[in-house]
Amino acid sequence: AQSVSQHNHHVILSEAASLELGCNYSYGGTVNLFWYVQYPGQHLQLLLKYFSGDPLVKGIKGFEAEFIKSKFSFNLRKPSVQWSDTAEYFCAVNGPSNTGKLIFGQGTTLQVKP
Amino acid sequence: EPEVTQTPSHQVTQMGQEVILRCVPISNHLYFYWYRQILGQKVEFLVSFYNNEISEKSEIFDDQFSVERPDGSNFTLKIRSTKLEDSAMYFCASSDAGQGVGETQYFGPGTRLLVL
Repeated sequence: AQSVSQHNHHVILSEAASLELGCNYSYGGTVNLFWYVQYPGQHLQLLLKYFSGDPLVKGIKGFEAEFIKSKFSFNLRKPSVQWSDTAEYFCAVNGPSNTGKLIFGQGTTLQVKP
Repeated sequence: EPEVTQTPSHQVTQMGQEVILRCVPISNHLYFYWYRQILGQKVEFLVSFYNNEISEKSEIFDDQFSVERPDGSNFTLKIRSTKLEDSAMYFCASSDAGQGVGETQYFGPGTRLLVL
């Protein structure tokens, strides 16, 4: 069955540090890939998505992610985090069922220290 | 900016009772979804709904669950006889048809359901 794995469950960084959150998925066919963020007390919001084309996608708030098909990965990066980036980050994929179903990773809690 | 809304934000119920969770998707959206997140676990897909019918449901979505779009604006999830293990945060999401089923899903704030 299709699955998504996020390697880091809890990450603590200082402001201005660089961030990379890992995401791997199991399905070998055509996929659409997403990163969602949930700020404290708020709902899930889309950070960025990959459907096709340039494998390096840029999202909101300075985030980017790179789709590496050979590694089944879609890692999220930000060169310099801010305290306001403290949130939970979810990688998700929709794939073969053609119904829009999203399969989520377990989430990574990012804590940025001021 | 249009948002998906959900009511109630919190619901406490007794085991065996019926609950209805309500969602108002973004108005021009055509695809609707329910997900849930048990505390400390992944967000899990429950059901997708398009053109007034279920397009896919997960193993979790058994006969105790049903969905309905009663009036063209609301999208409801009913749990007929709640169990303790139904305690979770339930998220509604919707998407438009821009890129078909792969289009971005917009999530509501969730309903936290606690079954006692």
